[in-house]
Amino acid sequence: DQQVKQNSPSLSVQEGRISILNCDYTNSMFDYFLWYKKYPAEGPTFLISISSIKDKNEDGRFTVFLNKSAKHLSLHIVPSQPGDSAVYFCAAELFSGGYNKLIFGAGTRLAVHP
Amino acid sequence: ETGVTQSPTHLIKTRGQQVTLRCSSQSGHNTVSWYQQALGQGPQFIFQYYREEENGRGNFPPRFSGLQFPNYSSELNVNALELDDSALYLCASSLVGRFDGQFFGPGTRLTVL
Repeated sequence: DQQVKQNSPSLSVQEGRISILNCDYTNSMFDYFLWYKKYPAEGPTFLISISSIKDKNEDGRFTVFLNKSAKHLSLHIVPSQPGDSAVYFCAAELFSGGYNKLIFGAGTRLAVHP
Repeated sequence: ETGVTQSPTHLIKTRGQQVTLRCSSQSGHNTVSWYQQALGQGPQFIFQYYREEENGRGNFPPRFSGLQFPNYSSELNVNALELDDSALYLCASSLVGRFDGQFFGPGTRLTVL
């Protein structure tokens, strides 16, 4: 049962353009969403998050949008830079059984080329 | 401020063997979570420890077990290894309830032959 889905395994974008990474979820009990970035041979790094009571959160070049009715969120990177090339994971926080846990999507590999 | 470290980096075992993976938490963090990341997949939650006690568990069998020590370092033990246990194992430390403050280690790549 894949509750968090990232349907695009890869995305290629030209430097300076916008990168849009998408994520869909099925569980309406999720109340917090996070994006992580992962470089090879490193652990995932927290990037940006959004609470389910908001529809947008912005941090510099990164903006996350949440559409609760569609159970969809997206990460926008503007402008994209070659250093943004990495695997991006969408994750949802679920409170269940007395504790919080994160449920990750399969990731999208972003390649930003000059 | 030291980051999260894991050892070893790589490990090769054979089916049926047992393995212990180690994690040293970020300074000041009291919670550690372990994840399994299979090839082409996102990390899957194994379990979480808070103040040396298991605080939550994902859909993993009992042969996956863990420990958290008073200095907040942690171990993941896997008994009776199976081929499907081949994966990257990540630990992440945080203050309880703070996933946006969760720091991941670089992982241990386990290969089971």
